[in-house]
Amino acid sequence: DAKTTQPNSMESNEEEPVHLPCNHSTISGTDYIHWYRQLPSQGPEYVIHGLTSNVNNRMASLAIAEDRKSSTLILHRATLRDAAVYYCILRDAYNTDKLIFGTGTRLQVFP
Amino acid sequence: EPEVTQTPSHQVTQMGQEVILRCVPISNHLYFYWYRQILGQKVEFLVSFYNNEISEKSEIFDDQFSVERPDGSNFTLKIRSTKLEDSAMYFCASRNLANTGELFFGEGSRLTVL
Repeated sequence: DAKTTQPNSMESNEEEPVHLPCNHSTISGTDYIHWYRQLPSQGPEYVIHGLTSNVNNRMASLAIAEDRKSSTLILHRATLRDAAVYYCILRDAYNTDKLIFGTGTRLQVFP
Repeated sequence: EPEVTQTPSHQVTQMGQEVILRCVPISNHLYFYWYRQILGQKVEFLVSFYNNEISEKSEIFDDQFSVERPDGSNFTLKIRSTKLEDSAMYFCASRNLANTGELFFGEGSRLTVL
């Protein structure tokens, strides 16, 4: 399974944008980049995913480097509710159905 | 908004006892999963299930574990003879037909083995 590298923790102030980086230098052509988050005492929650192009949804934006070896999850205006562990996960959608969670980035949001 | 529901929210059992954790996936979803998270550790994949059979399983999912979809709505995880190290939060998840689609996770069932 292709590996991802994320910072252990990040901090932000409420209402500010947050850029959560992820490195995945060994990504293969069929790997999709998925982001999930886990709020305290809850199950993981889907945030966004993409393959090559940047993606936007109501929760966040995903910026994917041109060589696909890194990506950035962008929360446009952090709220206290966004405090969570964010996981960047590669999934080869054609060969496996499982998500391999790493340790993720713990995001703290301050009022 | 549709959601995956799990019961019980917390179960305490004695070592060696059988445990069944129940999940009701989102109604039009066809792929079902169990993951677990030991306290303070990573979320780990256990098993995926499609078309009434296991499609993929991890090394954790040994002969002590089984899954079943006994009717059109429930998806269960059975642990035949629990061990102390089975203590964890167990998450059920489901997704629809799209191969790259998002997984919807339940709130989890906490299992404590004494």
